Amino acid sequence: GDSVTQMEGPVTLSEEAFLTINCTYTATGYPSLFWYVQYPGEGLQLLLKATKADDKGSNKGFEATYRKETTSFHLEKGSVQVSDSAVYFCALSDLGGNQFYFGTGTSLTVIP
Amino acid sequence: GAVVSQHPSRVICKSGTSVKIECRSLDFQATTMFWYRQFPKQSLMLMATSNEGSKATYEQGVEKDKFLINHASLTLSTLTVTSAHPEDSSFYICSATRTKGEKLFFGSGTQLSVL
Repeated sequence: GDSVTQMEGPVTLSEEAFLTINCTYTATGYPSLFWYVQYPGEGLQLLLKATKADDKGSNKGFEATYRKETTSFHLEKGSVQVSDSAVYFCALSDLGGNQFYFGTGTSLTVIP
Repeated sequence: GAVVSQHPSRVICKSGTSVKIECRSLDFQATTMFWYRQFPKQSLMLMATSNEGSKATYEQGVEKDKFLINHASLTLSTLTVTSAHPEDSSFYICSATRTKGEKLFFGSGTQLSVL
């Protein structure tokens, strides 16, 4: 069945460092891919999404490109800030939009 | 890792009936649980946040009387869709966290179809 695998973490970076959080997926067809963020003490927020191959989702300096050939949707940011400290979840929604699959989440801590 | 069990995974009901969805944390105590809804081909929408022993906090636009949330114990939260109608058909998913600020763990979701 469909699934999402993302790097476990935790990840600790210094401010202004480059961030990559890996996410790969297994799916039949062409799912939609998402990155969600959970800030401390809060619920999920949609960070960005991509609905078809080669699409690039971007928001708040974060980017992820839907790579069909490598079945990946890695999250990147060129220069992280302390305020980016959160847990990041990669997710997949199946072709029919009837099911969501989440990765296990990657905790990011950015230190000044 | 921590396990969250959500039941049922799929339910079909007649219009006007009520449906209860359960979300259980199997190996940890969940002080906070979240309920989300997904419309086809869209991202998740947070419906409400429930803390054990207190009333749920609903997001704007979510009808409290329509979507009853009960978090009576540290391992169980329920979402009851009352007097369901076809427009309530959706995918509902819960998540739980041990303590505020900790990582979320997700249930497997419930596909509700109202005829």
